[in-house]
Amino acid sequence: GENVEQHPSTLSVQEGDSAVIKCTYSDSASNYFPWYKQELGKRPQLIIDIRSNVGEKKDQRIAVTLNKTAKHFSLHITETQPEDSAVYFCAASKSNYQLIWGAGTKLIIKP
Amino acid sequence: DGGITQSPKYLFRKEGQNVTLSCEQNLNHDAMYWYRQDPGQGLRLIYYSQIVNDFQKGDIAEGYSVSREKKESFPLTVTSAQKNPTAFYLCASSIGTAPGYGYTFGSGTRLTVV
Repeated sequence: GENVEQHPSTLSVQEGDSAVIKCTYSDSASNYFPWYKQELGKRPQLIIDIRSNVGEKKDQRIAVTLNKTAKHFSLHITETQPEDSAVYFCAASKSNYQLIWGAGTKLIIKP
Repeated sequence: DGGITQSPKYLFRKEGQNVTLSCEQNLNHDAMYWYRQDPGQGLRLIYYSQIVNDFQKGDIAEGYSVSREKKESFPLTVTSAQKNPTAFYLCASSIGTAPGYGYTFGSGTRLTVV
């Protein structure tokens, strides 16, 4: 079955710097890759997603890149701000009920 | 809660007791899901339902039960057979099960065994 590995488990960056979180997946048939942000004690919320027919997608300060050959995808956050502090989860799926989640990355923005 | 409501927010269970967590959505979504989240860990799928009166086990269904009698509602019962139920429980819904539909999550229920 599908397996998603996410790295690093914790990432600490200076405010204003960029942050990159990486995920790898095992099932080459996976075709949808969402990223969710979960603030402490709150529900996860979708922040960006990408489908397998696209290599990169941007939305203001966040972007996701996908390398299908290597089976990995990454979340990039530029000009980090204190409100970016949260746990970020990647996921991969062939269909929604087979959404397989990474273990999460705790992003800490240092002032 | 953005169209999906979980209640209660906090729940305390005594040993040997069954408890039911509520999940209601008004988004007209077909698919609904229950996840368990333990401290510092990712999401693990308990049960999912693609349509009314149908549901499937996820990765950690033992000790849990669900029903889907209405499109809007997907309650989760944590039975006494679940030996370590203390966790944060998240309900989610999506338009369908084809890829490309994001999940909307409820605000969660924190269950504690006392």
